[in-house]
This record gives sequence, structure tokens and C-alpha cells, in this order.
Amino acid sequence: DSGVTQTPKHLITATGQRVTLRCSPRSGDLSVYWYQQSLDQGLQFLIQYYNGEERAKGNILERFSAQQFPDLHSELNLSSLELGDSALYFCASSPRGTSGSYNEQFFGPGTRLTVL
Amino acid sequence: KNQVEQSPQSLIILEGKNCTLQCNYTVSPFSNLRWYKQDTGRGPVSLTIMTFSENTKSNGRYTATLDADTKQSSLHITASQLSDSASYICVVSARGDYKLSFGAGTTVTVRA
Repeated sequence: DSGVTQTPKHLITATGQRVTLRCSPRSGDLSVYWYQQSLDQGLQFLIQYYNGEERAKGNILERFSAQQFPDLHSELNLSSLELGDSALYFCASSPRGTSGSYNEQFFGPGTRLTVL
Repeated sequence: KNQVEQSPQSLIILEGKNCTLQCNYTVSPFSNLRWYKQDTGRGPVSLTIMTFSENTKSNGRYTATLDADTKQSSLHITASQLSDSASYICVVSARGDYKLSFGAGTTVTVRA
């Protein structure tokens, strides 16, 4: 158990809908990262927040948005869902905001999103 | 563009045997390289993290090597067990960059 929690575990919805994925980082971690992993694909970095502020952006679609709240939990909002958005969405947390070796990322169990 | 290439894409080994996975990267300037193990449907778990000055690091039966000059790393699994069946992901970060560059992973299947 990494200490990172994600809800829900599974989500099934229809095209065009909007969903919200939730992530609670490890106690004391200030950074939260979101990743997308499609079937048989590698992890794709979406976005990073550090202490409530956006720190880095990856291949995140305009239909997707995220935020980190004062209590440091984060939400990833996916709207106008398409079939191709079906994937595992992972959240990770780390103590700091950099990519240094001392700033290890701990991954949550993921949310499996299925768009029908 | 920073890239991380892993090989082979997949491999099958018999329980008790050893195997070696490769990772080549073009990330520059180099900061650190990590190997993660990802069981099917679960989040990745860190195995090792190496900086520029480290050329080998072990975690139980997993040994990672790094040649920062040739920009290559390997992960060696010794005396494989069925529980080693997973995807192994090489992740590299550049100095001064917040983002990590992920390889596509090598899927290892250990058979009894």
C-alpha cells in the first residue's frame, strides 16, 4: 500500500458525459501527478500540481482539467468523454515538486474508466 | 525531444532463471533514472533510483546498472519467481525539468 488513495476504483459511463476522479496523496506529500494508461500503452503524464499550484503540464487534452485543493487532495475532471478516453488513470504523489532522485513518486491503485 | 526506449517489448522466462531488461535514453541533461514494477491493473512501484554518479543499485533480486556515458541502463532479475511477472518501466528525468520521461515498458512473464 503506497498510501495514495484513488476513488472510484471503477467508473463506467457513456460518451459525452463528464466524470471526476479523486486522489488523496500520502500524508505530507505536496505534489500530485496524474497519468493516463490506455490498454497496452505506457504511462502518459497528464499534469502535476504542487501545493495547490499547477507545476507541469504533459499531454493533457483541453477536455480534461485538474485542481489541487487546500487539503492537498486532487481531482481530475474529464468532460465530453470519447471512447478513446477509456483507460486506467493513476495518481501519484511525492514530497516535493521537482524530479530529483530524492523526490520519489508513489502511485495510487488507479481508477479504471470505461466509456461506452 | 527526450525519449526512453526499452527492449525487449516482452519476454518469457522459466522460474528460477535470470533475465536482463534494457533501457536506452536520450534525456539530457540527465538527472536520475528509475525502474518501476507494475503488476497488471495496479500502480507502478519503485524498484531503484540512480543518479549520475551511481552505476549499480540493488533491491533484493533486482539489480539495476547505469552507464551515463552511453545513456544505457539495465535491470537484471536473478532467480526469477512467478511473482516477478509484471511490466517493468524505465523512467528518466532531466535536470531542471519537472516532468519524467517514461519508457513503454517490458512485460515479463515467468512460467513454472
